[in-house]
Amino acid sequence: GNSVTQMEGPVTLSEEAFLTINCTYTATGYPSLFWYVQYPGEGLQLLLKATKADDKGSNKGFEATYRKETTSFHLEKGSVQVSDSAVYFCALGDQGGSEKLVFGKGMKLTVNP
Amino acid sequence: NAGVTQTPKFRVLKTGQSMTLLCAQDMNHEYMYWYRQDPGMGLRLIHYSVGEGTTAKGEVPDGYNVSRLKKQNFLLGLESAAPSQTSVYFCASRLSQSYEQYFGPGTRLTVT
Repeated sequence: GNSVTQMEGPVTLSEEAFLTINCTYTATGYPSLFWYVQYPGEGLQLLLKATKADDKGSNKGFEATYRKETTSFHLEKGSVQVSDSAVYFCALGDQGGSEKLVFGKGMKLTVNP
Repeated sequence: NAGVTQTPKFRVLKTGQSMTLLCAQDMNHEYMYWYRQDPGMGLRLIHYSVGEGTTAKGEVPDGYNVSRLKKQNFLLGLESAAPSQTSVYFCASRLSQSYEQYFGPGTRLTVT
């Protein structure tokens, strides 16, 4: 079945550091890909998405490019802030009937001032 | 527009007790989902619904039941709670033509 593998962390960075969170997927066909973010004590929020190969999703300074050849959707940000401290989930849209999302296990990021 | 709301926010149960978690959405979404979140496990799908009056099993359905009598509500029931059901439960919903899911704030359930 479809699956997502992502860095699990936890990761601690200093403010203004560069961030990369790796995400690779296994799927049949051409799934949509997502990054969700969960701030402390809250539910998940969509951060960005890409629906086809070579698409780049971007939001709040974060970017991720849908790479079909490497089945990857790595999340990057050039300069993290304390407010980016959260858990980040990579996910794909599973077209297997329930049209559900398949999530990675999440990665906790802490950014220190 | 409240989005997705969940009731209650916290609950403690004793083993064997029953309870119902309520999810409500005011966005006229067709699809609704119940997930559980456990440390190191990510989110796992319990049950889902593609429309009023329909439900289906997800990845980890055992010990749970659901009902979708109204389009805006999706109920998750535990008939006989077990300590293994201690978790944070999230509800989500989406439109039929989009994969983007909108999540509620979660319910933290502890079973002792």
